[in-house]
Amino acid sequence: QVQLVQSGAEVRKPGASVKLSCKTSGYTFTSDFMHWVRQAPGQGLEWMGILNPSDGTTSYTQKFQGRLTMTRDTSTSTAYMELSSLRSEDTAVYYCARSLYGDSSRWGQGTLVTVSS
Amino acid sequence: EVVLTQSPAFQSVTPKEKVTITCRASQSIANSLHWFQQKPDQSPKLLIKYASQSFSGVPSRFSGSGSGTDFTLTINSLETEDAATYYCHQSSSLPYTFGQGTKLEIK
Repeated sequence: QVQLVQSGAEVRKPGASVKLSCKTSGYTFTSDFMHWVRQAPGQGLEWMGILNPSDGTTSYTQKFQGRLTMTRDTSTSTAYMELSSLRSEDTAVYYCARSLYGDSSRWGQGTLVTVSS
Repeated sequence: EVVLTQSPAFQSVTPKEKVTITCRASQSIANSLHWFQQKPDQSPKLLIKYASQSFSGVPSRFSGSGSGTDFTLTINSLETEDAATYYCHQSSSLPYTFGQGTKLEIK
């Protein structure tokens, strides 16, 4: 069956970086775009960007330009999201989501990132 | 970027009621509007895609309508399991965006 399994919770200090993974199985990894969405505690959903696993092309929300990098490893069907220069406002649950609004839409379980000194 | 404004932000409703949630876009987005449901401590799930197309497995009491700038999610005969926050999302132009959410409380 289709699975998106995200890496475990992370704690970072302000200014540090974090790299999250989203390991997929049960489908052809390169067939669908991968989105990353985050949700701060008690807040709404925030779309961060999109990755085309087929060729590695990306598009990010301007807010994260320069701090956000999405990559993938097709050999392990895994998508990655790296956020640098972390600040307290980056504390959130980060989700990967396959084909966000398509027939094969599926979300990962989320990864909590806590930024605290 | 396209700003999506949902209303209401919160609604307390009784089972079997009909619920309507609206989402207004700051510019025309044709039918590139999707609805998600998020229950507490769960990942969001797609309900409606492209304004009115039901996602596989979604109960028939959920329906969507609209085009251009004004969209509606309707839940007919609300059930207790529908207690959740509902978000609209646009994929018409990058960066994609979400509405701020509508929290439904079941009385």
